Amino acid sequence: EVQLVESGGGLVQRGGSLRLSCAASGFSFSAYTMNWVRQAPGKGLEWVSYISGSSNIIYYADSVKGRFTISRDNAKNSLYLQMNSLRDEDTAVYYCARDNGGNEDYWGQGTLVTVSS
Amino acid sequence: QSALTQPRSVSGSPGQSVTISCTGTSSDVGGYKYVSWYQQHPGKAPKLMIYDVSKRPSGVPDRFSGSKSGNTASLTISGLQAEDEADYYCCSYAGSYPRVFGTGTKVTVL
Repeated sequence: EVQLVESGGGLVQRGGSLRLSCAASGFSFSAYTMNWVRQAPGKGLEWVSYISGSSNIIYYADSVKGRFTISRDNAKNSLYLQMNSLRDEDTAVYYCARDNGGNEDYWGQGTLVTVSS
Repeated sequence: QSALTQPRSVSGSPGQSVTISCTGTSSDVGGYKYVSWYQQHPGKAPKLMIYDVSKRPSGVPDRFSGSKSGNTASLTISGLQAEDEADYYCCSYAGSYPRVFGTGTKVTVL
C-alpha cells in the first residue's frame, strides 16, 4: 500500500525557517517524481515544487523561488522541503504527492505550517 | 503562471448531471494532454478522479468523466450522489511550470 506521511509543520515566526519531511512507503520511491502542493486556510491548491526521481530536474513556483529548497534521499525514501524567509502568505497545509506522469495519484495527509508575527 | 479558471460553485439534485469547466490557455490546458481533476472533502487530502483529460483511475466511479476542447477542460458528474458534494480542482501541466491548479469549484448536492 502506498503511503506518504508528512511531518515537520508547526508555528514559526515571520522570517524564520522550517524543514518539512515526507516519508514514503509501498512503492519504489526513487522511480517517481515527487511534488509539494500547499493549501492556505480556506483557499485553493497551489503547486509549490517538483523534483525528479534522481533529483536532476527541479522546479519551483515563482512564489517560493529563492526561499524554498526541495530535496530527496532515495536511500531513506524521504522527500524534504526546506523553507526559509517564511512569510505570512506561506501559512498553509503542505502536502507531498507522488507524480504519476502528469498527475498526482497519491497524497499525504498534509502538515500545517503557520507563520506568525 | 496564472491559476486556471473554474466556476466558484455548481449544484444539482441527486441523480442529475453537473459539469465543471476549467479554462486555461494554449500554454497549459490547450497545449498538453496532462489535465487532471481532484476531489477534496473538507479536512481531507485531494483525491485523483480523472487524469490525462479523460482517464479514470481504478476505483473511481464511471459517473465521473472528463473531456477537453481547445483551452477548456470539463469534468462531468452524472447521476449525482450525496457523497459527491466536495470541492473539485482541475490541474494542468504547463511546460517549465509543471503544475498549475484551477481556482476550485464547490459542488453542492441539493
